[in-house]
Amino acid sequence: NAGVTQTPKFQVLKTGQSMTLQCAQDMNHEYMSWYRQDPGMGLRLIHYSVGAGITDQGEVPNGYNVSRSTTEDFPLRLLSAAPSQTSVYFCASSYSRVKVVKLFFGSGTQLSVL
Amino acid sequence: AQSVAQPEDQVNVAEGNPLTVKCTYSVSGNPYLFWYVQYPNRGLQFLLKYITGDNLVKGSYGFEAEFNKSQTSFHLKKPSALVSDSALYFCAVREDTDKLIFGTGTRLQVFP
Repeated sequence: NAGVTQTPKFQVLKTGQSMTLQCAQDMNHEYMSWYRQDPGMGLRLIHYSVGAGITDQGEVPNGYNVSRSTTEDFPLRLLSAAPSQTSVYFCASSYSRVKVVKLFFGSGTQLSVL
Repeated sequence: AQSVAQPEDQVNVAEGNPLTVKCTYSVSGNPYLFWYVQYPNRGLQFLLKYITGDNLVKGSYGFEAEFNKSQTSFHLKKPSALVSDSALYFCAVREDTDKLIFGTGTRLQVFP
């Protein structure tokens, strides 16, 4: 199993551009989530999904959209990038949709917005 | 809302010495607590969890954590540190049933 795969690993955007960060898992996990990691602030939850067709907001959802059309994929969309969205983004999944315990993380996407 | 606090940005320890990385929590109800580790340029990896039961929880790579209800703490410990333990460590708490909330992280530096 590849686990949780994130693409791209690095991305530079200009303010106002849009892009999609891809996340795929091959473990048949029901639960998937997106975090951003910023210095001094740890990881903050952006959006999460407990199954195909179901998404919900986390701590910092503004400026981001998600959808979950399949169990495997959970893309994160930035509709109009802002410098405040410069961060490292991590996708994570878990087997159970109820009582999330152990998260499996991807290797991250480093995003810079100029 | 549930939260965790990691009061130390960095912990320095000599190889072979015991190490402690501190975490305190604030929850309503029973706490579900976790430790994760992040090596450079990698995603986080699960170390251990406390759900219920024994206050001393054993995890991966020789790490353990002590749950203390009266002090609302969940400190990560290891009896003898290795240089390879140098990494960023995150404490986390589960909010409701489906969200893990992470602390700000503590950088552990183990010196030879």
